[in-house]
Amino acid sequence: AQSVSQHNHHVILSEAASLELGCNYSYGGTVNLFWYVQYPGQHLQLLLKYFSGDPLVKGIKGFEAEFIKSKFSFNLRKPSVQWSDTAEYFCAVNSLDATNKLIFGTGTLLAVQP
Amino acid sequence: EADIYQTPRYLVIGTGKKITLECSQTMGHDKMYWYQQDPGMELHLIHYSYGVNSTEKGDLSSESTVSRIRTEHFPLTLESARPSHTSQYLCASSSPGTLNNEQFFGPGTRLTVL
Repeated sequence: AQSVSQHNHHVILSEAASLELGCNYSYGGTVNLFWYVQYPGQHLQLLLKYFSGDPLVKGIKGFEAEFIKSKFSFNLRKPSVQWSDTAEYFCAVNSLDATNKLIFGTGTLLAVQP
Repeated sequence: EADIYQTPRYLVIGTGKKITLECSQTMGHDKMYWYQQDPGMELHLIHYSYGVNSTEKGDLSSESTVSRIRTEHFPLTLESARPSHTSQYLCASSSPGTLNNEQFFGPGTRLTVL
């Protein structure tokens, strides 16, 4: 069965620090990978996604993620975080069946201190 | 404006009550989903639907039921709420066509059963 692991449950950074959130998935075949973000009191929204092609994916708000197939990883990065990046971040992988369901990691709560 | 709506946003209710969590989307999406998220845990799929009159159980066993009489509406019902049902419930939808489709999430309903 597919699964997603996020290694950092809570991350606290100061503004302008660099961010990297780890994500590993369990399936070795073709996958679609996503990072979702949930700002306090808001919907879960898509940050970026990888389907195929360039393994370095750029998303909204200066975020990017790199798909490394050999490491089964899809880590999220941002060179300089802002206070407004305080949120919960979820890595997810598409199921390979017809449901198109998402399989989520446990999430990482990021707090950025001004 | 195309969006996905959930009501109520917050619900506190006593044991044994029947409740219905509403989910509506105005994007014309065929596929709809209900996920359950306990605090600090990943989202788990509890129900999904391919379209009108289609409902399926998800990965996580749930005592709730769903219906899909109209494309835009996918309500979730608990016939007799229990404290173990306390959780956040997220509704999502995705566009028809290929498997590589983004899911759009509603704001969620945070349910507390006393």
